[in-house]
Amino acid sequence: NAGVTQTPKFQVLKTGQSMTLQCAQDMNHNSMYWYRQDPGMGLRLIYYSASEGTTDKGEVPNGYNVSRLNKREFSLRLESAAPSQTSVYFCASRTQAGDRGFSNYGYTFGSGTRLTVV
Amino acid sequence: GENVEQHPSTLSVQEGDSAVIKCTYSDSASNYFPWYKQELGKRPQLIIDIRSNVGEKKDQRIAVTLNKTAKHFSLHITETQPEDSAVYFCAAPPLNAGGTSYGKLTFGQGTILTVHP
Repeated sequence: NAGVTQTPKFQVLKTGQSMTLQCAQDMNHNSMYWYRQDPGMGLRLIYYSASEGTTDKGEVPNGYNVSRLNKREFSLRLESAAPSQTSVYFCASRTQAGDRGFSNYGYTFGSGTRLTVV
Repeated sequence: GENVEQHPSTLSVQEGDSAVIKCTYSDSASNYFPWYKQELGKRPQLIIDIRSNVGEKKDQRIAVTLNKTAKHFSLHITETQPEDSAVYFCAAPPLNAGGTSYGKLTFGQGTILTVHP
């Protein structure tokens, strides 16, 4: 049981290049999320997919696009990378999308992608 | 949206001492408050969480307390050990007008805890 798998683990891009970060989970989770982590700023939500077939913007979506390819996979694309997108990117998933009553919000995170844009 | 403030940003303790990290949140309707631990170079991992219908939850050496009136919650680690050294993050769900968050979380800025042997 691999949990949440992210690729690649490291990447260096030149300004203006594009790339796609891949994320796959094998826990049959409904909801998936992309966060970025910068020093002193915690984790900030970029995009999320509450369920297969839906995606929506988070706190910092500019410069990114996402695709929920199927229930397992949720990819993040940088169309034209900028130095401000240098960060560590984490994908996460959780069991249910609804908020009725008290839900288990416990995330399972991937191992992260360290991206440097020069 | 939800605003989560976490203090202190760094905390240094001697092995065996207690450590307390505090977070405040802005949305009084928030109903779930998790804490994550992130070791250097690793992914964040959920260590404990609390729902708004209880005031305290314990799991061995760690506990979380919640004060809904004051809108703050705290992580307490007793008998600290060097392996507790890590970055700790609190979080709360940003709720929309309908009271739904779709599992989203707003994280605090993190606390670097160092436990000296």
